[in-house]
Amino acid sequence: QAGLTQPPSVSKGLRQTATLTCTGNSNNVGNQGAAWLQQHQGHPPKIISYRDNNRPSGISERFSASRSGNTASLTITGLQPEDEADYYCSAWDSSLSVWVFGGGTKLTVI
Amino acid sequence: EVQLLESGGGLVQPGGSLRLSCAASGFTFSNYAMRWVRQAPGKGLEWVSTISGSDGSTYYADSVKGRFTISRDNSKNTLYLQMNSLRAEDTAVYYCAKGTSYSGGDFDSWGQGTLVTVSS
Repeated sequence: QAGLTQPPSVSKGLRQTATLTCTGNSNNVGNQGAAWLQQHQGHPPKIISYRDNNRPSGISERFSASRSGNTASLTITGLQPEDEADYYCSAWDSSLSVWVFGGGTKLTVI
Repeated sequence: EVQLLESGGGLVQPGGSLRLSCAASGFTFSNYAMRWVRQAPGKGLEWVSTISGSDGSTYYADSVKGRFTISRDNSKNTLYLQMNSLRAEDTAVYYCAKGTSYSGGDFDSWGQGTLVTVSS
């Protein structure tokens, strides 16, 4: 079951903007979009954006998601130290009838 | 507030069995699909299984099909994962996660996880 493709790492400076990408195909990301999860070291994942690009209650407006074709993106503006974490995308694959995850992107705020 | 509390993890020998539980509270359990997702040490997330909230339909990743069984007891607000014929590659933290609808939806709430170690 092939997963989604994410860059392994991204480094950006404090108060800068980071854009993380997640590439799939027409059966998953291109079909219903991708959700985004944030995971700090030693903690469980937390959803920060649904597949329809809406944020759950309590998630900062600095996080915004979008999609173009088979690639989903998560943009984080005004980077803060607490944004340093692993970010995963997830999508439903309608062809395989399975949930797929990206390999995760480690965001470092320098 | 949604709360999910996993239990049942531990050390088991290859070929052995283990049953995980996930106690849910803070929402109408029977109305939502529930999932198990695992994370091997230092690795990414892997979906394991889903059970719907309505008719109890079940779905499995190829890597666990035929060995793992997901079930739920809506009267006890509890999700289960019966794991048989365990292999070293099943070693991971196992999370239960709530869906956003009775049939599936996004993974919108997660438990703290329970560690399963398969080793002789």
